[in-house]
Amino acid sequence: EAGVAQSPRYKIIEKRQSVAFWCNPISGHATLYWYQQILGQGPKLLIQFQNNGVVDDSQLPKDRFSAERLKGVDSTLKIQPAKLEDSAVYLCASRRQGFQETQYFGPGTRLLVL
Amino acid sequence: DQQVKQNSPSLSVQEGRISILNCDYTNSMFDYFLWYKKYPAEGPTFLISISSIKDKNEDGRFTVFLNKSAKHLSLHIVPSQPGDSAVYFCAASSSNAGGTSYGKLTFGQGTILTVHP
Repeated sequence: EAGVAQSPRYKIIEKRQSVAFWCNPISGHATLYWYQQILGQGPKLLIQFQNNGVVDDSQLPKDRFSAERLKGVDSTLKIQPAKLEDSAVYLCASRRQGFQETQYFGPGTRLLVL
Repeated sequence: DQQVKQNSPSLSVQEGRISILNCDYTNSMFDYFLWYKKYPAEGPTFLISISSIKDKNEDGRFTVFLNKSAKHLSLHIVPSQPGDSAVYFCAASSSNAGGTSYGKLTFGQGTILTVHP
């Protein structure tokens, strides 16, 4: 089966600009996650969707970050306006229903904010 | 608050020897643990997992050990191969965290493993 797809793979922007990332999960996976991975750290969960509803966005900086999951399939994550500290790899992951089901990660989008 | 810690930033081993990667956690609610491997410019890939009802799980060259009383788990790779060189992340999850955190993974900082030929 096809894996989790993400685009773009790389993005360079200046601070205060806006940027959007796209994710297409594995077909049939109900749960979708966005993680932020800063260099030298492990991935940190930003937001979790169950179908097209948000179930956890407690660590999402809502003043500048937003995310949506269209029709319970694709998802977009937006940053507006970007700050220098947003430079990181943004990872999308998806999982089938069920607690111990594995999360499968996409290749990530590497963002550099100058 | 770092609930999952990997205190060794890097580990270097000789091909054919055993690699042991360690992970400590502080949240006693965690009851499911995973190891992911990450190559440069790729997303993390699932390696092996263990439920808190077990103390060992084996899959080929990879074995994960869980010591609940010490809140410690380790990943053993035997024998180590140069292709195992990657960043290894430990992650933990809780089945009792409530609906909003169901299946949520908390990751450690990662350990860079280098296996020399």
